[in-house]
Amino acid sequence: DAGITQSPRHKVTETGTPVTLRCHQTENHRYMYWYRQDPGHGLRLIHYSYGVKDTDKGEVSDGYSVSRSKTEDFLLTLESATSSQTSVYFCAISESTSGSSSYEQYFGPGTRLTVT
Amino acid sequence: AQKVTQAQTEISVVEKEDVTLDCVYETRDTTYYLFWYKQPPSGELVFLIRRNSFDEQNEISGRYSWNFQKSTSSFNFTITASQVVDSAVYFCALSERETSGSRLTFGEGTQLTVNP
Repeated sequence: DAGITQSPRHKVTETGTPVTLRCHQTENHRYMYWYRQDPGHGLRLIHYSYGVKDTDKGEVSDGYSVSRSKTEDFLLTLESATSSQTSVYFCAISESTSGSSSYEQYFGPGTRLTVT
Repeated sequence: AQKVTQAQTEISVVEKEDVTLDCVYETRDTTYYLFWYKQPPSGELVFLIRRNSFDEQNEISGRYSWNFQKSTSSFNFTITASQVVDSAVYFCALSERETSGSRLTFGEGTQLTVNP
């Protein structure tokens, strides 16, 4: 199994508070991703990173920011949490070889976030 | 824009039955990658298979098999002689060839229940 951990695993927070979720990998993979999973939507990409300090937006990036200061850590911040951000958040990692960046992604265990 | 459709929201079978999960995709790229993931009741996401657009060979792995047909833009997944442990949500996903990471577009998932 890929070495990916997420913290916290569960969090309840109030509307308007900032929240930071952490993804940590021990695989030294270049690419890291944040997804959210909601009923009826599958998983949707929030942000991703293709290297230290290199990040880009995904499909549902509004209200979220990310940072990657080290290869092993990818942080997701909800600037001011809203009830619509109640979800399960998954981190994923993938590697690439010369000529292809579309390798399979391996997922962390998920963080269940509830915004009240 | 890429899109993945899993028309079957829920499927229920009796143990030992064969079951096929459908996946239809849309993409404008000629180079792309297709994936299947399994999410058991415990919640983690497990990678099952990756297939690139140039390889239309069907694949078999134990009781699992995948049928990729570019002519119909489908990548269907069959479980032969299903077992209770196969009960899970199964996701089909698509990524296009990119240089900055493989951003996955997921279908909404199919909930498979295998009854004893």
